[in-house]
Amino acid sequence: QLQLQESGPGLVKPSETLSLTCTVSGDSISSSNYYWGWIRQPPGKGLEWIGNIFYSGSTYYNPSLKSRVTISVDTSKNQFSLQLSPVTAADTAVYYCAMSGYYSPYAMDVWGQGTTVTVSS
Amino acid sequence: QSVLTQPPSASGTPGQRLTISCSGSSSNIGRNTVNWYQQLPGTAPKLLIYSNNQRPSGVPDRFSGSKSGTSASLAISGLQSEDEADYYCAVWDDSLNGYVFGTGTKVTVL
Repeated sequence: QLQLQESGPGLVKPSETLSLTCTVSGDSISSSNYYWGWIRQPPGKGLEWIGNIFYSGSTYYNPSLKSRVTISVDTSKNQFSLQLSPVTAADTAVYYCAMSGYYSPYAMDVWGQGTTVTVSS
Repeated sequence: QSVLTQPPSASGTPGQRLTISCSGSSSNIGRNTVNWYQQLPGTAPKLLIYSNNQRPSGVPDRFSGSKSGTSASLAISGLQSEDEADYYCAVWDDSLNGYVFGTGTKVTVL
């Protein structure tokens, strides 16, 4: 069964780069027509889609974050990553990685447990 | 500010039928299929309904989805205490060229 696990620093300073990795287990990240993506949830607020990357490398980003976001895939490590730069306090959130495409291209079928990132000096 | 509007809260007693609405526009719900997610307290969201009205394996048939025009709905029949959670609709928006989540609805079982 496919599982996802986020990892990365829990604290990032303002104006620096937030870097998170999602490790995929139970299947190859490049074996099927899946999308790999990131979603975040600020404290006490709703969900916000950050972006997706297709197994072929094509990327799709939230227009409001596009200028600051990069999502990439490392097939050798079966991981995909998120970089957000520069960050401000408004980027403090729980960050989730997710997989789409098993049931529907835009339905996020499998989620990681989430990792909390705080932006503070 | 989301382009998909949901009521902030909904409540019901055990056994009741509860419906949550999701209002969008011609660029999102009007053109694309709607998904629903359930987020239990302190946990990651879980896919509840995909493609407007399809249930992933393991989701009880108490949960059902529908879509009409630029609005969608999630119904929970036979409400149970374990259904207390936040519920989000979501859909691809062709104008924004991005995936959007609804504002979320907190369901309370009285």
